[in-house]
Amino acid sequence: DSGVTQTPKHLITATGQRVTLRCSPRSGDLSVYWYQQSLDQGLQFLIQYYNGEERAKGNILERFSAQQFPDLHSELNLSSLELGDSALYFCASSVEASGTQQFFGPGTRLTVL
Amino acid sequence: QQQVKQSPQSLIVQKGGISIINCAYENTAFDYFPWYQQFPGKGPALLIAIRPDVSEKKEGRFTISFNKSAKQFSLHIMDSQPGDSATYFCAARTQGAQKLVFGQGTRLTINP
Repeated sequence: DSGVTQTPKHLITATGQRVTLRCSPRSGDLSVYWYQQSLDQGLQFLIQYYNGEERAKGNILERFSAQQFPDLHSELNLSSLELGDSALYFCASSVEASGTQQFFGPGTRLTVL
Repeated sequence: QQQVKQSPQSLIVQKGGISIINCAYENTAFDYFPWYQQFPGKGPALLIAIRPDVSEKKEGRFTISFNKSAKQFSLHIMDSQPGDSATYFCAARTQGAQKLVFGQGTRLTINP
C-alpha cells in the first residue's frame, strides 16, 4: 500500500458526460501527479500540482482539468467524455516538486460507453 | 526525443534465472531513471532508480546498469521468482522538469 488513495475504483459512464476523480496524497506529500494508462498509449503524464499550484502540464486534453485543494487532495475533472477516454487514471504523490520518488495510487478505471 | 524505448514487450524466464529488460533514450537532458513494477489491478510501484553519474545501482536482487554513452539502461533481476511476475516500466525525467516519461512496459512471467 503506497499511502495514496483514489476514489472511485471503477466508474462507468456514457459519452458526453462529466466525471470527477479524486486523489488523496500520502501524508506529508505536497506534489500530486495525474497519469492516464491505456493499452495503446501506455502511461502518459497529464498534469502536476505542488502545494495547490499547477507546476507541469503534459498531454492533457482541454476537456480535462484538475485542481489541488488546501488540504492537498486533488481532483481530475473529465468532461464531454468520448469512448477513447476509457482508461486507467492514476494519481501519484511525492514530497518534492522535482518528479522523483513518485508513489502511485491504485487507480480509477474509467469506462465510457 | 522525449521517448523512452523499452524492450522486450514480454519476457518469460525460468525460476532462478536472470531477467533483463532494456531501455534506450535520445534526450541527453534526462537526469533521473526509475524503474516501476506493476501487478494486475494495482498502481505502479517504485522499484529502484539511478542517476546518470553512476553506472550501476543494486538493491537486493534488482540491479540497474546504466550506459551513458550508449544512452541505454537496463534492469536485471537476479534469481527471478514467480512473485516477480509483473509488468515493469522504465522511465526518465528531464532535468528541471517534473514529469516522468515512461517506456511501453515489459510483461515478465517467471515460470516455476
